[in-house]
Amino acid sequence: AQKVTQAQTEISVVEKEDVTLDCVYETRDTTYYLFWYKQPPSGELVFLIRRNSFDEQNEISGRYSWNFQKSTSSFNFTITASQVVDSAVYFCAPFYPQGGSEKLVFGKGTKLTVNP
Amino acid sequence: DVKVTQSSRYLVKRTGEKVFLECVQDMDHENMFWYRQDPGLGLRLIYFSYDVKMKEKGDIPEGYSVSREKKERFSLILESASTNQTSMYLCASSLGQTGLYNSPLHFGNGTRLTVT
Repeated sequence: AQKVTQAQTEISVVEKEDVTLDCVYETRDTTYYLFWYKQPPSGELVFLIRRNSFDEQNEISGRYSWNFQKSTSSFNFTITASQVVDSAVYFCAPFYPQGGSEKLVFGKGTKLTVNP
Repeated sequence: DVKVTQSSRYLVKRTGEKVFLECVQDMDHENMFWYRQDPGLGLRLIYFSYDVKMKEKGDIPEGYSVSREKKERFSLILESASTNQTSMYLCASSLGQTGLYNSPLHFGNGTRLTVT
């Protein structure tokens, strides 16, 4: 099975610090999609971003940015000037539509705590 | 905004009981999913459905069944609850026009089930 690794289990920062969450995925496919989800303490996973494997441009959305490096199979997520409300568990999830078995593979998540 | 509603936030059941977890979505999504989330294991797919009365096993279907009699409702059934089914259960839905996961998943806020 194709895997995704979020090496950081937990990260703790102080408000206003920048923080990067790592995501490394395995793939044998040329076509795939990459998702990030946020799970705040309320429990509901919230969609943040979807990228396809043919779009290697980095993306910025407010304080959030994503760095897609196809050469290293990484899709890292950076929060600039972190805030307490960013405290959550963040999941990276690649989706591989080929091979006869569509599957969204969730990483184990990185728990981010932003302290005031 | 898509709303995915899970009928219970917390449930406590006894071993051997039949348990129903209900999920309703209000955006006419074709696809619906049941995941369980456990510490250290991340999210694991139990069952999914891509149409009314259609269901497919996910990665860990043993001990579970599902029912989708109406498009908006997807029920997870624990035929005879066991203590190892104590977990957080998450329901999700997605638009089905281009496949199961090409569109983002929209999650409910989870049901924390304890089996004693």
